[in-house]
Order: sequence, then structure tokens, then C-alpha cells
Amino acid sequence: EPEVTQTPSHQVTQMGQEVILRCVPISNHLYFYWYRQILGQKVEFLVSFYNNEISEKSEIFDDQFSVERPDGSNFTLKIRSTKLEDSAMYFCAIRGLDQGNQPQHFGDGTRLSIL
Amino acid sequence: QKEVEQDPGPLSVPEGAIVSLNCTYSNSAFQYFMWYRQYSRKGPELLMYTYSSGNKEDGRFTAQVDKSSKYISLFIRDSQPSDSATYLCAMIKAAGNKLTFGGGTRVLVKP
Repeated sequence: EPEVTQTPSHQVTQMGQEVILRCVPISNHLYFYWYRQILGQKVEFLVSFYNNEISEKSEIFDDQFSVERPDGSNFTLKIRSTKLEDSAMYFCAIRGLDQGNQPQHFGDGTRLSIL
Repeated sequence: QKEVEQDPGPLSVPEGAIVSLNCTYSNSAFQYFMWYRQYSRKGPELLMYTYSSGNKEDGRFTAQVDKSSKYISLFIRDSQPSDSATYLCAMIKAAGNKLTFGGGTRVLVKP
């Protein structure tokens, strides 16, 4: 079973609407990541989040995207004013608490469909 | 030149055969290498994680890294129909945050 639970599993939204995707780790982690995978394309990095701050973001992660940990447990990705090209699978990943470059573990994703 | 290249397949093998997968990369800054398995409509599942050049074995899986050639491989012995999935290579720079993925190879193991 994945170390993170993502909700919803599928989200259908009208273009221009806001969506919030949620990620809940099984145990406490400090390192969080969001990736996306457009159908038939590579998994792409969006953003990394450590100690309640963005530590790195890609050029995809523009002003329409934001992340936060509103209650110290859930980790959310908000997309404001969605566009058709935002349709993709969005994966949350976490990294272990150990020092060093531990591997990232992924949730099963949220399939976002923009109409 | 793409940072990470991976043959998309599909790679079709009979049950029991050895599956051989590989990726090449162009950036020598990549230091940690991973193989993930992805079933349809699921997230990437970590199979192997390696750092040093050489081989690492875990059950039926063997990962190889050749940093001098910028080439990594994954071998699956005694393949099973349940191994049918897309296999993604991924890599990360030392002290880096983001994984860079290959495009994935679709594998079909026929009974």
C-alpha cells in the first residue's frame, strides 16, 4: 500500500474553476513533492516542500499553483483558474525522515479532468 | 538531447524469461538512480534504489549502474504475468529535490 493517500481519486472540473488536491501521509514526514503526468507523457516535477516552505519549483509551477499544509498533516496542491492543459494525473510523493537522499514514495494520484 | 532517455516499448516476453530494461542519461550530476513500476491508473511504486556504479540485487530484480557510460539497467528474472506494467527509471542529483524521469517502458509478460 502507498505511504500516502490522495483524494479525490478523480476530479472533473470546468475550465476556469479552482481545484484542491489533497495528500495525506501515513506517518509524519517533512519532505513533500507534487508531480504530474499528462496522458502518454513523462512524470514531471512540479514542486518540493520542506519545513513548511517551497524548496524548489519547476517552470510549470507558475502563479496559478500553490501548495500548503493547512493543518500540519494534509498537504494540498491548489490550482486556480484551471485550463484544459492542466488535465493530467497529479501525484504526491513523500520522502523519509532519515538524513541523506532517501527515495521518494508516491501516492496513487488524482486524475484531474478539465472540461 | 533529452536528459533521460528510455525506450517506450512495448517489450513483450514469455513468462519465465528475463526482462532487460535500460535508460541513458546526459547529465553527470545525477548521482542516485531509481526504478519504479507503474500499473495502469496507479502511482509509481519504488522497486530499486542505487547510488554506486555496479550491481544491486533484490529478489528477482537486479539494478546496474554505469556512471562512466551514463547508463542504468534493470533486469527481472523469472518474469511473471503480474510483472506486466510500465517501468520508469528516475534519477536525482546529490542534495537535489526533484526526480527526473524517463518516459517509461511498457512490459508485457505473456503466460
